[in-house]
Amino acid sequence: KNEVEQSPQNLTAQEGEFITINCSYSVGISALHWLQQHPGGGIVSLFMLSSGKKKHGRLIATINIQEKHSSLHITASHPRDSAVYICATTYGGATNKLIFGTGTLLAVQP
Amino acid sequence: DAGITQSPRHKVTETGTPVTLRCHQTENHRYMYWYRQDPGHGLRLIHYSYGVKDTDKGEVSDGYSVSRSKTEDFLLTLESATSSQTSVYFCAIAGLAGGELFFGEGSRLTVL
Repeated sequence: KNEVEQSPQNLTAQEGEFITINCSYSVGISALHWLQQHPGGGIVSLFMLSSGKKKHGRLIATINIQEKHSSLHITASHPRDSAVYICATTYGGATNKLIFGTGTLLAVQP
Repeated sequence: DAGITQSPRHKVTETGTPVTLRCHQTENHRYMYWYRQDPGHGLRLIHYSYGVKDTDKGEVSDGYSVSRSKTEDFLLTLESATSSQTSVYFCAIAGLAGGELFFGEGSRLTVL
């Protein structure tokens, strides 16, 4: 069974800080997703990656397939980045089933 | 934004009553999923569909059934709601296996 673990569970940062959220998984996967959920809000897909690194604005996601580990980085953090960040892995071949981590609650203080 | 809507967005019902949540998409995506989100748990898969009339169970499917009679609609039914089914339910869609996911805004269900 694939387990997805995120760390830290909670993170408080000051505006402008560089932030890293980690995700580890236990079995081989076909893709890894990073999602964002604002309090009381819907869920938005930030990245989907199967190797290497992706960048979108101030967000960077990396994955190391051999180590079964992914990181989400936020540069020059801003209070609007405050949200829950969720890692999820895809397995199950054609059915695209996902296993989700429990999320990292990020609070960026001005 | 992906065209995916859930209804109702909020519902309060009593134990033992049937409840149906609807997920409607305008993207013609093949894959549709129902998840529930509870404090202390990650999103957990209830049921999913990989095509019209093709559905399968997820990890927490007991007490739930689904139907997909056309591409755009995926219905989640609680035949006899229980308090343990109080949760926020999210529908998601994807065009490809392993492809990007698009989520609905969620449906908050309270079973008294």
